Amino acid sequence: DAGVIQSPRHEVTEMGQEVTLRCKPISGHNSLFWYRQTMMRGLELLIYFNNNVPIDDSGMPEDRFSAKMPNASFSTLKIQPSEPRDSAVYFCASRAGTRSNQPQHFGDGTRLSIL
Amino acid sequence: AQKVTQAQTEISVVEKEDVTLDCVYETRDTTYYLFWYKQPPSGELVFLIRRNSFDEQNEISGRYSWNFQKSTSSFNFTITASQVVDSAVYFCALSEAYGGSQGNLIFGKGTKLSVKP
Repeated sequence: DAGVIQSPRHEVTEMGQEVTLRCKPISGHNSLFWYRQTMMRGLELLIYFNNNVPIDDSGMPEDRFSAKMPNASFSTLKIQPSEPRDSAVYFCASRAGTRSNQPQHFGDGTRLSIL
Repeated sequence: AQKVTQAQTEISVVEKEDVTLDCVYETRDTTYYLFWYKQPPSGELVFLIRRNSFDEQNEISGRYSWNFQKSTSSFNFTITASQVVDSAVYFCALSEAYGGSQGNLIFGKGTKLSVKP
């Protein structure tokens, strides 16, 4: 079975550019999560969706970050304009159902470097 | 407030040694779930196990075992006869059924395990 698929795996871009990260959740999963991982702050939840609806975006750092889930099989995380402090590994995860007892399954991550 | 503490930042062992990774959690919920994830050097996060707050049975899966003790709010992870392939960062995480985290995973900072040949 296909797991969570993220693209690109690596992204290097210059400060000020728009960055779009993509995620395809596991088919049939109802919840989707975006995380950011840095050495300083560890794993941080940015936003999550239940049934394509954003439920909690309190982790989104600022207005430069936005996330969408237009359908059950696709989500994007956009940073515009990007800054060097956005450099991190960004993970997408999906979960079967909307209940907290189900494990989240993670993609391989996107390693983002902003120069 | 909900919190997960993994006090061991790094552990180094020699192959075939047993090693225990500690995890202590805080929550006000009476119903919650605990998880362990593995992050190998390649970077992906791999789900290992889930435990419900109302099930304190210990679990064994091959060389892996988990000890859940509500009395001490701990959910420790033991690797028996460690192997080089066990080298990774291991994360403990908490999810509450009704609390402020809204069912999201609250992660510890992780323990980096290095197994040397």
